[in-house]
Amino acid sequence: SQQGEEDPQALSIQEGENATMNCSYKTSINNLQWYRQNSGRGLVHLILIRSNEREKHSGRLRVTLDTSKKSSSLLITASRAADTASYFCATDRPGGYQKVTFGTGTKLQVIP
Amino acid sequence: NAGVMQNPRHLVRRRGQEARLRCSPMKGHSHVYWYRQLPEEGLKFMVYLQKENIIDESGMPKERFSAEFPKEGPSILRIQQVVRGDSAAYFCASSPPGYGYGYTFGSGTRLTVV
Repeated sequence: SQQGEEDPQALSIQEGENATMNCSYKTSINNLQWYRQNSGRGLVHLILIRSNEREKHSGRLRVTLDTSKKSSSLLITASRAADTASYFCATDRPGGYQKVTFGTGTKLQVIP
Repeated sequence: NAGVMQNPRHLVRRRGQEARLRCSPMKGHSHVYWYRQLPEEGLKFMVYLQKENIIDESGMPKERFSAEFPKEGPSILRIQQVVRGDSAAYFCASSPPGYGYGYTFGSGTRLTVV
């Protein structure tokens, strides 16, 4: 079964605004990752946050992780039209190997 | 470093034919994963392989689907006797050995069964 669920399913914002996407998962994790997928393309790895980390930054991206609530958020600041894509969270499980399970995705549209 | 190479990009098969999808992982990556994506949906895990070993095939349909990652050459996802429901995008990803690395994805193979 899918481990992660993103919220909202779709998000439309104006260029320059911030975009926040949330991910909830069901079981304990080792790492949580966020990926971006442009229409018709493969996924691009954005950021990985470990279960013992609470926040991580990469350029205009900020990811938070709350393991007590089994949730994560991805914030994109000062959005650009090029950020238009689907965003997926992905989780793996502790004690196992590297198989990663993806959520259903948030479709972000940034209007110029 | 050419990244993860998948071919073909598009594949059209008639019902009952066989489909072979190839994936060459990034140099230095020994772990390969196959995922299937239906339109407007997320990625569904199919199989996780290391060289000459299937580690986890819990997402593979029991019949008609098989995967391999030989000592030499690309990983192959093979679908026998394809049906319309097999039409989807199939993505391959690779990662280095060890834990806590993100995946590098290929551009996918879009299979259409007519």
